[in-house]
Amino acid sequence: GENVEQHPSTLSVQEGDSAVIKCTYSDSASNYFPWYKQELGKRPQLIIDIRSNVGEKKDQRIAVTLNKTAKHFSLHITETQPEDSAVYFCAASPNGGATNKLIFGTGTLLAVQP
Amino acid sequence: EAGVAQSPRYKIIEKRQSVAFWCNPISGHATLYWYQQILGQGPKLLIQFQNNGVVDDSQLPKDRFSAERLKGVDSTLKIQPAKLEDSAVYLCASSLIGSAGNNEQFFGPGTRLTVL
Repeated sequence: GENVEQHPSTLSVQEGDSAVIKCTYSDSASNYFPWYKQELGKRPQLIIDIRSNVGEKKDQRIAVTLNKTAKHFSLHITETQPEDSAVYFCAASPNGGATNKLIFGTGTLLAVQP
Repeated sequence: EAGVAQSPRYKIIEKRQSVAFWCNPISGHATLYWYQQILGQGPKLLIQFQNNGVVDDSQLPKDRFSAERLKGVDSTLKIQPAKLEDSAVYLCASSLIGSAGNNEQFFGPGTRLTVL
């Protein structure tokens, strides 16, 4: 079955710096890759997603890149702010997204130091 | 629009007891998901419903876990009997449909279960 690996598990950056989180997936038929942000004690919330027919997507300070050949995708946050501090999860939808099932990575705890 | 609702928010039980969680998805969302999130891990899909039918329950421990969505709207997840390792946050999510196109899953606030 699909397996999603996520690195690093923790990331500490200074306010204003960039942060990069990387994920790899195993199912070459995966076609949808969302990123969720989860603040402490809160529900996961979608921040950006990308489909397999696109190589890069950007939304203000957040961007996601996808390399289908290497089966990895990354989240880039520029000009980080203290409110970016949270756990970030990547996910992949295997089997061509036939059922919209998501397999999540293990999460990255991002700490932005003011 | 109102989000995904879950209750209770917290539950503490002793091992071998039973517990039930309730979820009301966003109005009009055909697909409903139950996830288990153990501390320090990502959500793991337990079961997925499309209307009132089961799409995927491959990760559901069927000897102790059960779930239903009888009228295709709200859903209940039950654990009987509970084990210590069931301590986790149980998240409910919903999406418009369960196939490529409208993929975004909206999560509820979760139920934090502690088994003593």
